[in-house]
Formats: sequence, structure tokens, C-alpha cells
Amino acid sequence: DADVTQTPRNRITKTGKRIMLECSQTKGHDRMYWYRQDPGLGLRLIYYSFDVKDINKGEISDGYSVSRQAQAKFSLSLESAIPNQTALYFCATSDRGLADRYNEQFFGPGTRLTVL
Amino acid sequence: GQQVMQIPQYQHVQEGEDFTTYCNSSTTLSNIQWYKQRPGGHPVFLIQLVKSGEVKKQKRLTFQFGEAKKNSSLHITATQTTDVGTYFCAGRGSGYSTLTFGKGTMLLVSP
Repeated sequence: DADVTQTPRNRITKTGKRIMLECSQTKGHDRMYWYRQDPGLGLRLIYYSFDVKDINKGEISDGYSVSRQAQAKFSLSLESAIPNQTALYFCATSDRGLADRYNEQFFGPGTRLTVL
Repeated sequence: GQQVMQIPQYQHVQEGEDFTTYCNSSTTLSNIQWYKQRPGGHPVFLIQLVKSGEVKKQKRLTFQFGEAKKNSSLHITATQTTDVGTYFCAGRGSGYSTLTFGKGTMLLVSP
């Protein structure tokens, strides 16, 4: 969806470099997520944020950090990139939703990261 | 933690054949969602199931949620080449605040 944008779309970097992936959304959603996709492994949650002051680790947070600069912006950083962090990274957003009912997640176009 | 298993990993069918992908959870789910990712694209939401035994249809797609709320399926009748892509289920377990995605089923349809 054009409402969720990610920059850059592609990035090649070297081992040890610091990398930041950015996500912006115009959907007005409170909740934002970062996922990593590897072939055959599906989507794995790295970090998520339910509002500007809320940051939570996901399934695979080691080696990553995040920053929620505003409701609309959620950045993912790799402090010292390593080759096994080569993957497709997706940002997603969702609305707060009714009690005990999760609304759909809207995904950005993805960032393909290669660490040499 | 939550585990969501999805089978098969891959299926290749001839256009017009039916297709089914299955999703099983290690824990009872509050809800389950299905997404489709076209080649080179991003996941797109298809549907959410919440109630035990729920069945929903979208044209040729039929989604089911098991009575015990631990399994789900997506069935496509008479596949078309436009159905090509990877189908993911994503479940939220009771007491969990996020979705856990299955590894997906990649569907290839030959004309």
C-alpha cells in the first residue's frame, strides 16, 4: 500500500556497518511492526510498537534496535551488520482495533538488504 | 512461545485444479488471519476468522477456522494463474499481543 513507505528499497552494505531502515505511514495507525522475511522461513517479528512511547522486542530482536520517532515513523537499525542479516525487511501497521480483535496489518513494499 | 505450522510448503497445480493449504497452532488462537504475497510483492490481507467453526468465502476462496480454534485452512476452487503467490496464515494466541506467521505455502499455477 502506498500508505506505508519504506526507504531505502534496496541496500547493499558491508559487514560491520551501521544501517538504518526507515518506515513512514499515513494511515494514522498507532501500531507499527518490523518483520524479517527469509526464504522458507516466513515472516518473523523483530520489534513492534503500539504507540510512540511503547517499544517491544519480537521473536528475533538480537542485533537490531528501533526508534519510534512519531506516530507515523518507525525506524529499524542494525548497529553492526553481519551477513546473516541479509534478508527482506517489511514494515507493517495496524489500527488499535476493538477489544480482543486484531485488525489487519498493512505492509510496506519492503527493503531488500544485502550484507557482504 | 506461539508456533504456527503451515503445510504444504509448496504446491504446483494445473490451472483449474483445486488447492488447499493448512495451518495448525500449538495453542488455542483468539483469531487467525490469512495473507497473500505475490512474487516480488508484499503480504496483503485477505481475511480474519474469529469464531470457532467459522467459514468465510471470497469468490473461489473458502476459509475455515477449526472448532477448537487451533487449525485453519484456505481452499481455492478451480485455480487461475492469478492465484500464484505465497499464502500465509497468522494467528494470535490467547494472552499474546502479536501475530505469529506460518512459513507460508507457495502456490504455482501452470496454464
